Amino acid sequence: KNEVEQSPQNLTAQEGEFITINCSYSVGISALHWLQQHPGGGIVSLFMLSSGKKKHGRLIATINIQEKHSSLHITASHPRDSAVYICAIRTGNQFYFGTGTSLTVIP
Amino acid sequence: GAGVSQSPRYKVAKRGQDVALRCDPISGHVSLFWYQQALGQGPEFLTYFQNEAQLDKSGLPSDRFFAERPEGSVSTLKIQRTQQEDSAVYLCAGAPDPNYGYTFGSGTRLTVV
Repeated sequence: KNEVEQSPQNLTAQEGEFITINCSYSVGISALHWLQQHPGGGIVSLFMLSSGKKKHGRLIATINIQEKHSSLHITASHPRDSAVYICAIRTGNQFYFGTGTSLTVIP
Repeated sequence: GAGVSQSPRYKVAKRGQDVALRCDPISGHVSLFWYQQALGQGPEFLTYFQNEAQLDKSGLPSDRFFAERPEGSVSTLKIQRTQQEDSAVYLCAGAPDPNYGYTFGSGTRLTVV
C-alpha cells in the first residue's frame, strides 16, 4: 500500500504548455513537500506546504487538506523544467515519498 | 555551509566491501534523515536522528546497515559487506525543526559490482 500516489507517472509537454502534477495521500500529515530531481540524483526542495497555496516563479503548489490532495503547476514550461518531480509527505518522524512524475518538455 | 553536503558523490564498491557515506548538514539542523532510492523508485526511509539521538532506525534493511551521528552534526551511513541490491542513491535531508524547512543533499550514488 502506498501512502502517496502521484499522477501521471510520465508526462511529455511542448515548451510553453501549462503542466499539472497531482499527489494524493492517505494519512494525516504535518507537511507536504514537492521535490525536483534531476538526472544524476540531485534533489532540490521546491515547496513545503501545510495549507493553501505557494508560488515561486513559474511554479505553483496547492494543497487541500480535507481532500488529502496536492497539485504542482508549472506555467510556461521550458525544457530546463525536465526532471522527476516527487511528492513527499511528512507524518510523525517519517517522510513517505511518491514514485515521482517524469516530466519531459520538448522545445 | 550553504546546503547539505554528501560525499562521495559517486561510489563503486566490489561486492563484500564495506562503504561509508557521509552527510554534512547545515549548521543548526537538529533533524536528519537518511533515505535509499533504488533506480526508478521513490526514496525509502532508512533512519532519523534528532541531534545525536537515533530516534528511528526502522527503515534500515538489514544489520549490515548502520548509521551514526555522534556529535549531532555530521552523520555517517555505513554499509558492511555490500551486496548488489544495495546499489541505490542514498539521500540525506536535514532541518532546523522537525516540522519545517527540510533541505536535501544531492545524494551519493552507490553501485555495487
